[in-house]
Amino acid sequence: QQQVKQSPQSLIVQKGGIPIINCAYENTAFDYFPWYQQFPGKGPALLIAIRPDVSEKKEGRFTISFNKSAKQFSLHIMDSQPGDSATYFCAASGVGTSGSRLTFGEGTQLTVNP
Amino acid sequence: ETGVTQSPTHLIKTRGQQVTLRCSSQSGHNTVSWYQQALGQGPQFIFQYYREEENGRGNFPPRFSGLQFPNYSSELNVNALELDDSALYLCASSHSGIETQYFGPGTRLLVL
Repeated sequence: QQQVKQSPQSLIVQKGGIPIINCAYENTAFDYFPWYQQFPGKGPALLIAIRPDVSEKKEGRFTISFNKSAKQFSLHIMDSQPGDSATYFCAASGVGTSGSRLTFGEGTQLTVNP
Repeated sequence: ETGVTQSPTHLIKTRGQQVTLRCSSQSGHNTVSWYQQALGQGPQFIFQYYREEENGRGNFPPRFSGLQFPNYSSELNVNALELDDSALYLCASSHSGIETQYFGPGTRLLVL
């Protein structure tokens, strides 16, 4: 049973655009929601993370929006650049989910055209 | 501060063989988690080690086993390899009580 659903599967934007990636979760025990960026042949790198007690968090060009009642969260990339082309994963973990395991979404392949 | 390192980077095995993958955690981290990432999919949690004991396990059969050593490094062992075990195996380290996990570069395993 997939507990974190991510969309879209792929996304193409022009340089300077604002790609938005969405995730929805089912397990109400989740209380930590990170986003990871992964380049081909590399491990995931932590971008930004949020807890459900805040509705928005910004770090540089990356913003997470969180809707606790809808059990949804999203990543916005401001002023996107070709170097942002990568696969993005949302994830979730929480107390009681067995050793703070991360449950990942299926990933979004982002392409930013020059 | 050194990051998470994994070895080897690539490995080719045949079906039925056994494999051992290694991970050194980031400095100051005492918890290691292992994930399997099939091509085009998100990482799937295998298990986590804390204080040299398994601390949570995902939906993986017993032929996937692990160890953690006193210096917090860890091994993932897979017995009786199957074709479907071909994947990128990721190690992530963290500090107990802190959810943030930092991933290594992974080991690419190909089972023929």
